[in-house]
Amino acid sequence: DIVMTQTPLSSPVTLGQPASISCRSSQSLVHSDGNTYLSWLQQRPGQPPRLLIYKISNRFSGVPDRFSGSGAGTDFTLKISRVEAEDVGVYYCMQATQFPVTFGGGTKVEIK
Amino acid sequence: EVQLVESGGGLVQPGGSLRLSCATSGFTFSSYWMSWVRQAPGKGLEWVANIKEDGSEKYYVDSVKGRFTISRDNAMNSLYLQMNSVRAEDTALYYCARGRRDYWGQGTLVTVSS
Repeated sequence: DIVMTQTPLSSPVTLGQPASISCRSSQSLVHSDGNTYLSWLQQRPGQPPRLLIYKISNRFSGVPDRFSGSGAGTDFTLKISRVEAEDVGVYYCMQATQFPVTFGGGTKVEIK
Repeated sequence: EVQLVESGGGLVQPGGSLRLSCATSGFTFSSYWMSWVRQAPGKGLEWVANIKEDGSEKYYVDSVKGRFTISRDNAMNSLYLQMNSVRAEDTALYYCARGRRDYWGQGTLVTVSS
């Protein structure tokens, strides 16, 4: 199984400041079809997960442009350019290149 | 508007059975893979199972193989998860999700306890 490792576990951020979350996979996420199925999800308190980014860097419908994804192979990053109060929650990376689908352990973003 | 609504959760004894349902609307259900993902209380996300558009392919996480069965009814736009021989470690909020997990339901809580 592909293991997804996220850092940091927690990220206290000042409103309006940037935040960055890293995700590393135990093996390359490049699929045989050439795509890299690495996604980022946000889970606000008491809410279901919400897709933010798919295939490394594509923002899903309705996602603000302060969220961006980057990376390749085994190393990926989610950045929030200016954190807003509504961004508080837990963020997960997820790989769907290979079954079983696996998730990172989550990074909690909170306001300082 | 895409909607996924799970139901069927509840309290079940170890070794018992439960059938979860996910009613969908707002998209062409028969054109999408579908997933079940669970989240134990206070824990992270764990993928459980996937099913192809026509039901011809199914995949499961090792911990539920032989005990859970994912199925779908494209005429009813519904997804199901039959849970047999449940264990305490199956206690979780169970979400259904569309395709590559782009839309999620609110979840249904399964509690396994005597």
